[in-house]
Formats: sequence, C-alpha cells, structure tokens
Amino acid sequence: DQQVKQNSPSLSVQEGRISILNCDYTNSMFDYFLWYKKYPAEGPTFLISISSIKDKNEDGRFTVFLNKSAKHLSLHIVPSQPGDSAVYFCAAISSNTGKLIFGQGTTLQVKP
Amino acid sequence: EPEVTQTPSHQVTQMGQEVILRCVPISNHLYFYWYRQILGQKVEFLVSFYNNEISEKSEIFDDQFSVERPDGSNFTLKIRSTKLEDSAMYFCASTGSSSTNQPQHFGDGTRLSIL
Repeated sequence: DQQVKQNSPSLSVQEGRISILNCDYTNSMFDYFLWYKKYPAEGPTFLISISSIKDKNEDGRFTVFLNKSAKHLSLHIVPSQPGDSAVYFCAAISSNTGKLIFGQGTTLQVKP
Repeated sequence: EPEVTQTPSHQVTQMGQEVILRCVPISNHLYFYWYRQILGQKVEFLVSFYNNEISEKSEIFDDQFSVERPDGSNFTLKIRSTKLEDSAMYFCASTGSSSTNQPQHFGDGTRLSIL
C-alpha cells in the first residue's frame, strides 16, 4: 500500500535549527492528515493534524503545511530540541473509512 | 492524560497456539482499532470496531482473527492459530468520534513473537 510515502528514512539536525519532515500521498480522497511521533517501546503519539481544506496548521514549535496540488505535506519543527529525536509517521484518513494509512516513518535525530 | 493501555507488553507463543491481546481504550471513547507493525515495515490497519460490531477490516484480518469487547472496558484481539508471520507489534487505538478531525490515540503495543 503506497498511498502515503515518506521517502526519507532518516534526518539529522542540529539543536536549535529547523527540522523538516516530508510526506507524499496519492489518494485525493483523504480528508485529514496527521503526524505521529514514536519513541522506542512506545506507541505512536498524536502530534498535529491538518484538514484537507487548509494549507497550514501551527501548534507551538510544530507547523504542518499541506500542498494539495502537489499531494505533499511537511512537518516543520523549530527550534528542534534533542527530545524531539524519535520516529515521525505521517498518516492520512478519509471520511468514508476510519482507518489511518501510515507512511514508513522518518527517524529524526536532533544533535545537542 | 487518559491513556490506552495494552497487556501484555510482550507475548511469546508457539506456532499454532491461540493468543489474546488485550486493550483498555480511553474510557469515554467509542471507536476502537487494531493495527500492527511487522519489523521494518509500515504500521498497517487491521480492524475497526464500533457499537459491538466490526466497522471495517483489512484483508490481513482473515478468519483466524477476531475482536471482542467482552465488557465495558476491555477490547481484545484473538488470533486462533498463530503463524510465524503473525510476529509483529500490535497496537490498539481508540477515538471518541468517527469524525476524521478526532485523532486516534494509541497504546504502547504488544510485541507478539511466534516461535
């Protein structure tokens, strides 16, 4: 199932700088896009979401941008902190089904 | 903050045996889900459950799988005759609404190892 793709398996960023995580999708029926963060031995934790009718949603240090024409979304973390080091999953959902479709995940390492 | 809890954290079972994975969703949530993640692969949807019925299931969720809400708090996933390829992390999730703007909240998972 390649409907949601995260093409970068890993990203390394210096503390204080911006982290940009990318996600592409193919299904234009998706209504909502979500980012989850996952630490080892824990389940995915909801971080931020965006409706398909918006192009930006901001929550503190986290901002998600949606480009519908390109079927692309990105998560910006600024400033990045060492505690942000985790696996980040992009996920999508459509209103006719309750299931989340996940990307492969990107491992973010923030170096002190 | 309310949490989804899953037990056990790790289950080791012989191939062909039955296994039951348990979940306690967030108390006022009505929609329940199971996902799994095979090592090195994506998190993938198995089944959704609402009002004591399966709402949707994936092609992975064959006759060997079943779900149940035996009481007001537990939500279980049963695999009747386990196979080696069932080895994975199994995540339970819940949400209070079917609206897509309500995020699903996940438990910490059960690692299922089939020998």
